[in-house]
Amino acid sequence: SQTIHQWPATLVQPVGSPLSLECTVEGTSNPNLYWYRQAAGRGLQLLFYSVGIGQISSEVPQNLSASRPQDRQFILSSKKLLLSDSGFYLCAWRGGVHNEQFFGPGTRLTVL
Amino acid sequence: GQQVMQIPQYQHVQEGEDFTTYCNSSTTLSNIQWYKQRPGGHPVFLIQLVKSGEVKKQKRLTFQFGEAKKNSSLHITATQTTDVGTYFCAALSQTGANNLFFGTGTRLTVIP
Repeated sequence: SQTIHQWPATLVQPVGSPLSLECTVEGTSNPNLYWYRQAAGRGLQLLFYSVGIGQISSEVPQNLSASRPQDRQFILSSKKLLLSDSGFYLCAWRGGVHNEQFFGPGTRLTVL
Repeated sequence: GQQVMQIPQYQHVQEGEDFTTYCNSSTTLSNIQWYKQRPGGHPVFLIQLVKSGEVKKQKRLTFQFGEAKKNSSLHITATQTTDVGTYFCAALSQTGANNLFFGTGTRLTVIP
């Protein structure tokens, strides 16, 4: 079966510091991968998606970037965090019988 | 741009009362998916509706897809405390990127 891992689970970072969040998927090959951000009590905002190694599409301009160095690895980065980058970051892949979205456990980022 | 609106944004109900959340789109949808996110957790796929006027049931949950395929609803009969969470509808993006576009979500609180 497929599983999706994210780490760290929680992170507290100062403003201006760099960020690297990692997501890996097991049990599937060549998945479409996604990064979402969810502000406290809000909906899901699609940040990036990737259909393959080295292929990244950005949905909204922002302070973040994404990379896909390996087929089942998706990384979210920032060179300098802003207060507004705080939120719950979710990695996901598409698949299953209904081509549904499977989400990882998420990383809760607080920028102080 | 594409919009999938959900109402209400919040709903507080007494345990045992019914609950309904509505999802509305300005464009015709090819299908619609529903997800549930427990507090502190990640969204989990519940169901997909494809056909015009389709109705599906999962125990106390009833899902409907409108005849014009522009709206959908999720109805919970006799809510329980385990129903607490945020319910999202999701539809394929109109941009041609085959991405899911999530609604704004309805946060359900059940008062025991």
